[in-house]
Amino acid sequence: EVQLVESGGGLVQPGRSLRLSCAASGFTFDDYAMHWVRQAPGKGLEWVSGISWNSGSIGYADSVKGRFTISRDNAKNSLYLQMNSLRAEDTALYYCAKEYTTVTGPSDAFDIWGQGTMVTVSS
Amino acid sequence: QSALTQPASVSGSPGQSITISCTGTSSDVGSYNLVSWYQQHPGKAPKLMIYEGSKRPSGVSNRFSGSKSGNTASLTISGLQAEDEADYYCCSYAGSSTFTYVFGTGTKVTVL
Repeated sequence: EVQLVESGGGLVQPGRSLRLSCAASGFTFDDYAMHWVRQAPGKGLEWVSGISWNSGSIGYADSVKGRFTISRDNAKNSLYLQMNSLRAEDTALYYCAKEYTTVTGPSDAFDIWGQGTMVTVSS
Repeated sequence: QSALTQPASVSGSPGQSITISCTGTSSDVGSYNLVSWYQQHPGKAPKLMIYEGSKRPSGVSNRFSGSKSGNTASLTISGLQAEDEADYYCCSYAGSSTFTYVFGTGTKVTVL
């Protein structure tokens, strides 16, 4: 079964750090780009960051650039998000998502999502 | 990286067709045929419904269709059913030299 399982969320004070992990199974992890998408309580989806299969291409939303770092360990089938200098507005459910790929190649869409890990930034 | 603009809500009766718009700019929706659409039921993870503007992944009902004109993409749901009641989000690739994406503001679809 294709599966993504996020972990590492929790309650953290403003200005502190947190590292999220996403464990992938059921597919060849190093064939796909991976992304983090977040959703604040009662709000919409926001793309946070993405990383290509070989870590050669990385992107961040302006709202997290300079504070968050995405990485992956293909040997461990894992995706990570290092979050520093956390702010109240970073409070959200953080989803890990896999890039959808067809026979013609990557499609710049996200087909497999985890259930998310909740990050709450509050004093 | 401003969020793409969607109507907050759209409603329709069972069997009717509805269309959700997704308006971006010439830097995202208008530049790439890389708009995707997601359905999200309460408390659930999003589900991919449309990719590359108009293509359906395997398993997605052909009642869902996508299109694009200029800086605006659209999702049409035909033969509206009760289970279609959910939130819908568009997303567009927005990077030229960078690997970036932007989601829409989201639309609540209500089946009357």
